[in-house]
Amino acid sequence: DVKVTQSSRYLVKRTGEKVFLECVQDMDHENMFWYRQDPGLGLRLIYFSYDVKMKEKGDIPEGYSVSREKKERFSLILESASTNQTSMYLCASTGQFPYEQYFGPGTRLTVT
Amino acid sequence: DQQVKQNSPSLSVQEGRISILNCDYTNSMFDYFLWYKKYPAEGPTFLISISSIKDKNEDGRFTVFLNKSAKHLSLHIVPSQPGDSAVYFCAATHGSSNTGKLIFGQGTTLQVKP
Repeated sequence: DVKVTQSSRYLVKRTGEKVFLECVQDMDHENMFWYRQDPGLGLRLIYFSYDVKMKEKGDIPEGYSVSREKKERFSLILESASTNQTSMYLCASTGQFPYEQYFGPGTRLTVT
Repeated sequence: DQQVKQNSPSLSVQEGRISILNCDYTNSMFDYFLWYKKYPAEGPTFLISISSIKDKNEDGRFTVFLNKSAKHLSLHIVPSQPGDSAVYFCAATHGSSNTGKLIFGQGTTLQVKP
């Protein structure tokens, strides 16, 4: 059974804190993704990675960075959290075409 | 530039009736389309997909129709059940992409009333 896990389901941080969100997949997938979901805005791609140590910006990378040191692990970093980064963060992974993405359960981040 | 659009933010139907969710796309390079379902506080789960070489794919109560000339796809749920109440996202990709990237629509919230 395929599995994508995320380090936290709920997280509350203060403005200015550095935040780490971690995602682990057990499917040996090459490609991993970080999205945020906000009401009315759908799933917006923050960053993705198609190989270890490789990363590309998505549609909304500002204020975020990522790290992929091992194939199974993809981390999202908020360098200095701000209230407008309060959101649901979703990690996904996929292998070869047709690229069905498998999602983790999400992390609900609140920045106060 | 919104390449995949779901123009209806919400839809409400009665239990037992048909739910029809629509999705439009602009990029003619897309050759594979997927539908995901998302419950609150959970990650999206894959529901059904269709290749551009087909115009219909069926899986139980769920059927996806693809009209390539109109660049339009739709998801039919028959009969609708209260447990189908969720946000539905359509997504598109093309085989020449080697990154696994999907382009998602904004989502449609379906409410099925008992």
